[in-house]
Amino acid sequence: DAKTTQPPSMDCAEGRAANLPCNHSTISGNEYVYWYRQIHSQGPQYIIHGLKNNETNEMASLIITEDRKSSTLILPHATLRDTAVYYCIVLTPYNTDKLIFGTGTRLQVFP
Amino acid sequence: NAGVMQNPRHLVRRRGQEARLRCSPMKGHSHVYWYRQLPEEGLKFMVYLQKENIIDESGMPKERFSAEFPKEGPSILRIQQVVRGDSAAYFCASSPRAGSAGELFFGEGSRLTVL
Repeated sequence: DAKTTQPPSMDCAEGRAANLPCNHSTISGNEYVYWYRQIHSQGPQYIIHGLKNNETNEMASLIITEDRKSSTLILPHATLRDTAVYYCIVLTPYNTDKLIFGTGTRLQVFP
Repeated sequence: NAGVMQNPRHLVRRRGQEARLRCSPMKGHSHVYWYRQLPEEGLKFMVYLQKENIIDESGMPKERFSAEFPKEGPSILRIQQVVRGDSAAYFCASSPRAGSAGELFFGEGSRLTVL
């Protein structure tokens, strides 16, 4: 699985958009980008995933660059409850059973 | 539909004792995964099980750790002769099928403290 690089921490004002970047420059053509988050003292929670097209669901949007070497998770209107560690994970479709969590980005949403 | 249930939520053991952590997957899920999170670190995969079968145990320490998922009942992660380095949060996840990271649901974790 490709390695990902994320900034260790970010701040965001409540109500503003939170844009969390992820670099995955060694991603292969059949590897997906998954995002999970872990709110303090809770288990990780799936957010969204994509291959090469931009994706949107009720939680977030995922923007993947054309060369697929980086992506951005967008929380359009961050709330205090979005304060968490966000993990960007790259997986092949044949090996999605063993997630490799890096250190992630600690997002702090402030009032 | 209840989520993934783990118990106990907190467990304290003295060095040398045994720890048993239980995980009941979501209804309809037959795939269970265990992860360990050491303080201030990311989660590390330990083992993947289906009913009565261990599919991938590449992340399990070679000694003292074992896992099972019997035909009936919860999955159990067993740690024998615990040491202080086993102190961590142990998370269980379940999914309805293999290869479905987008349908992976985690429990709230079991926090083991070894004195």
